[in-house]
Amino acid sequence: QVQLQESGPGLVKPSETLSLTCTVSGGSISSYYWSWIRQPPGRGLEWIACIYYSGSTNYNPSLKSRVTISGDTSKNQVSLKLNSVTAADTAVYYCAGGSGNYYPLDYWGQGTLVTVSS
Amino acid sequence: DIQMTQSPSSLSASVRDRVTITCRASQSISNYLNWYQQKPGKAPKLLIYAASSLQSGVPSRFSGSGSGTDFTLTISSLQPEDFATYYCQQSYSTPTFGQGTKLEIK
Repeated sequence: QVQLQESGPGLVKPSETLSLTCTVSGGSISSYYWSWIRQPPGRGLEWIACIYYSGSTNYNPSLKSRVTISGDTSKNQVSLKLNSVTAADTAVYYCAGGSGNYYPLDYWGQGTLVTVSS
Repeated sequence: DIQMTQSPSSLSASVRDRVTITCRASQSISNYLNWYQQKPGKAPKLLIYAASSLQSGVPSRFSGSGSGTDFTLTISSLQPEDFATYYCQQSYSTPTFGQGTKLEIK
C-alpha cells in the first residue's frame, strides 16, 4: 500500500521560496510518476508539476518559471520548490502519484496548508 | 493548454437519484480523462481512469463514458456518502483539471 506524506513550512514570507517534500512509503518512487497539485482555500484543484519514471519533468505553463520538481531515490522522496511566492500561492499542496498508462493519480497525500504572509 | 469545462458547476439531488456530470475538453484528448471525488477537508480520490475504467474499490454505481472532447460521469443511484465535489482531469498533455462540480443534497 503506497502512502504519501507531505512536509514543509506552513508559513512562508512573500518573495521567498516555498519548499515541500513528499515522503513515499510502500513503494519505490522510481516505479511511479509523481505530481504536485494545489488548492487555494475554497477553490478548485490546480496541477503544478510532474516527474515521470524516466526522471523527465513537466510543468504548468503558468508556474513554469518559478517551479522545480525533483526526486531523491535514496530517500524515496519527491520535492517541490516554488520561488518568489505571493499571497496568491496560499493553498493546500498535495503530493500525488500513479503508475497507469493513462496517468491517473491513484495515490494522494493528505495535503499541507501553506500560507504566504509576512 | 487544454481547457476542461465541467457542467453544471453545482447540482442539487436526492438520495437514489441518477446524476450525470459533463466534462468537455477544448481539444481532443482521446480517452485520457480521469474523474476524482473530493470531500471537505480531504484529498481527492480517483474514481474513474481512462474515461470509463472503474478504479479498484469504487462502487459500481459510478460509471464514466466518452472519448475525444466530451465525457460524462454518472452516478446511477445516489447514496448519502456521494455528496461531494467532483473533478475531471485530462492527462493527454500537460495535465489540467476541470473547475469542479459540487453535488449537494436537495
